[in-house]
Amino acid sequence: DQQVKQNSPSLSVQEGRISILNCDYTNSMFDYFLWYKKYPAEGPTFLISISSIKDKNEDGRFTVFLNKSAKHLSLHIVPSQPGDSAVYFCAARALFRGQNFVFGPGTRLSVLP
Amino acid sequence: DTEVTQTPKHLVMGMTNKKSLKCEQHMGHRAMYWYKQKAKKPPELMFVYSYEKLSINESVPSRFSPECPNSSLLNLHLHALQPEDSALYLCASSQATGPRANYGYTFGSGTRLTVV
Repeated sequence: DQQVKQNSPSLSVQEGRISILNCDYTNSMFDYFLWYKKYPAEGPTFLISISSIKDKNEDGRFTVFLNKSAKHLSLHIVPSQPGDSAVYFCAARALFRGQNFVFGPGTRLSVLP
Repeated sequence: DTEVTQTPKHLVMGMTNKKSLKCEQHMGHRAMYWYKQKAKKPPELMFVYSYEKLSINESVPSRFSPECPNSSLLNLHLHALQPEDSALYLCASSQATGPRANYGYTFGSGTRLTVV
C-alpha cells in the first residue's frame, strides 16, 4: 500500500510556463515533506521542504503548497526552464515518530524549449 | 564538503562473486542509509545506521551485508546476488536524529549494479 502517491508519471510543460507536480499521502501522521529532483545517472538532490505547521514554502522559482486536510502537496516551478527536466520525488515522514522518509514513485517533468 | 561519494559508479558481477559498494561523507552526519532503486520505482530503504550502529534493517536478504567502519564510511557487501538484485544502489546521509534537526537527506550518485 503506497503511503505517498504521485499519480502523474510524466508531465510536459512549455519553457516559461508553470509546472505543477502533485503528491498525495495517506498517513495522517506525516508532518514533514520534501521534494527531490533526480537527473539520470545522479542521486536525488534535495529541492525544498515543508513542515505541517506551514501551508506554503517558497525558494526562488520553487514553491511547495501543503493542504493537510486533503493530504495533498504540490510543487510549483515558475518559470519552468529546460534544465528543470528531471524526475521529481515527493517524500514524507512522521518527524515526531523519528520515522524514515517514504518516497513517492516520482513524476518525470519535461520542459520543452 | 557537502557531498556523499559512492564508488564504484557501475558494477557488473556474477552470481558467485563477492563485491562491496562504498559510501563516504565528511559533513559530520551521524545517520547513513542504503537505498535500492529499480527503474521507474521510488527508492526503497534497506538499512539505516545511526551513530555507526545498525538501527534499521528492512528485511533485506542476508546476501546484502552492511558495515559502518566509522562515522564517515558506509559499505555494502554483496555475495551470491541474483539477477533481480540489479538496481541503482543509493547511499544517503543526514544529521543525527532529534525533533529540531533538519532531516533532509544528502544522496550520493549511486552505484548502478548489474548481476549476470
